[in-house]
Amino acid sequence: EAQVTQNPRYLITVTGKKLTVTCSQNMNHEYMSWYRQDPGLGLRQIYYSMNVEVTDKGDVPEGYKVSRKEKRNFPLILESPSPNQTSLYFCASSLGKFTDTQYFGPGTRLTVL
Amino acid sequence: GENVEQHPSTLSVQEGDSAVIKCTYSDSASNYFPWYKQELGKRPQLIIDIRSNVGKKKDQRIAVTLNKTAKHFSLHITETQPEDSAVYFCAASIKGSARQLTFGSGTQLTVLP
Repeated sequence: EAQVTQNPRYLITVTGKKLTVTCSQNMNHEYMSWYRQDPGLGLRQIYYSMNVEVTDKGDVPEGYKVSRKEKRNFPLILESPSPNQTSLYFCASSLGKFTDTQYFGPGTRLTVL
Repeated sequence: GENVEQHPSTLSVQEGDSAVIKCTYSDSASNYFPWYKQELGKRPQLIIDIRSNVGKKKDQRIAVTLNKTAKHFSLHITETQPEDSAVYFCAASIKGSARQLTFGSGTQLTVLP
């Protein structure tokens, strides 16, 4: 089944404790993105990747890192999480550039205490 | 960068009535406008999109219109059903650009039985 997967789905952590949210797609998509969703703010892009080893900042990259060592994986890293990073996170992928349909993962709800 | 405004933030309609959600965008270079539906606790999914060389597109009960001069586009849902209840997001992007989709803040549509 073609899909985007994320893990973990739920995470409660404490300020400053490094964490990684994994994202994987099995559709051979070139483009992958991370979004955060906050009430009243819609979906805001954190980082995106056009291909392996090619990443760039979105609208809200501060406090996040990403890597794209393999085409299928695009992990999101929070080196020192803070409470303002409490949010719902979505990974997405698309076949080509951003005018192709974006397929979203199931989401990761992160709480930073 | 691009800015997308979406109205209304909440919308309640009676089953069988029509619903209209409007978005405006700021960057005249934007030429791709998708709409995503997010049911409660689920991931966003593309329901319809329109490109700037088209003024209107329809798929069964859903239609989208685009006014490039005024820089606004709208989602129309006719004969609404309870299963249409969800959050709807509009977005805009520039074809051929590696930049991200810019999403609106979302509209919570409630269809009352």
